[in-house]
Amino acid sequence: GNSVTQMEGPVTLSEEAFLTINCTYTATGYPSLFWYVQYPGEGLQLLLKATKADDKGSNKGFEATYRKETTSFHLEKGSVQVSDSAVYFCAQDTGSQGNLIFGKGTKLSVKP
Amino acid sequence: GAVVSQHPSWVICKSGTSVKIECRSLDFQATTMFWYRQFPKQSLMLMATSNEGSKATYEQGVEKDKFLINHASLTLSTLTVTSAHPEDSSFYICSALLPGDTQYFGPGTRLTVL
Repeated sequence: GNSVTQMEGPVTLSEEAFLTINCTYTATGYPSLFWYVQYPGEGLQLLLKATKADDKGSNKGFEATYRKETTSFHLEKGSVQVSDSAVYFCAQDTGSQGNLIFGKGTKLSVKP
Repeated sequence: GAVVSQHPSWVICKSGTSVKIECRSLDFQATTMFWYRQFPKQSLMLMATSNEGSKATYEQGVEKDKFLINHASLTLSTLTVTSAHPEDSSFYICSALLPGDTQYFGPGTRLTVL
């Protein structure tokens, strides 16, 4: 069945470091792919998305490219800030309206 | 942006009692809301899809008589955990679908059953 696998955390980085959080998926078709972020005490927020192969989603300095050949959607940011500390979830849709399959989440801590 | 609230944010109850969790879309109307469950260090698992004015659609393995969902208005969906037991302890998260297929998530409700 469809699934999402993302790297386990926690990930601890110093401010201005480069960030990569790996995400791979399995799917029978060509799902849309998402990254959500959950800041402490808040709900999940959509960070970025890509709907087809080779699309690049970007927001707030974060980027992820939909790679069909490697079934991946890795999240990257060139220079993280303390305010980026949060839990990041990779997800795919199942084709049914709104149904999402999530990865387990990766906690990121950025130290000053 | 669109805001979804949940109430309560945390609840502790005794085994055998029922607990109701509310999910509200504060600044938009949502014909579709979703309920998820999250275990520690696990993914969010979709429990059910709630449509205003009709019965909820439950995912396989989710007991509809145990997890009662009522979507009484375009801004409110409720999840009632009936006869709760310790294994029902979890983090319950709702989301509301904004027309255009964007889900907005609530902050979650931590349920602990003693």
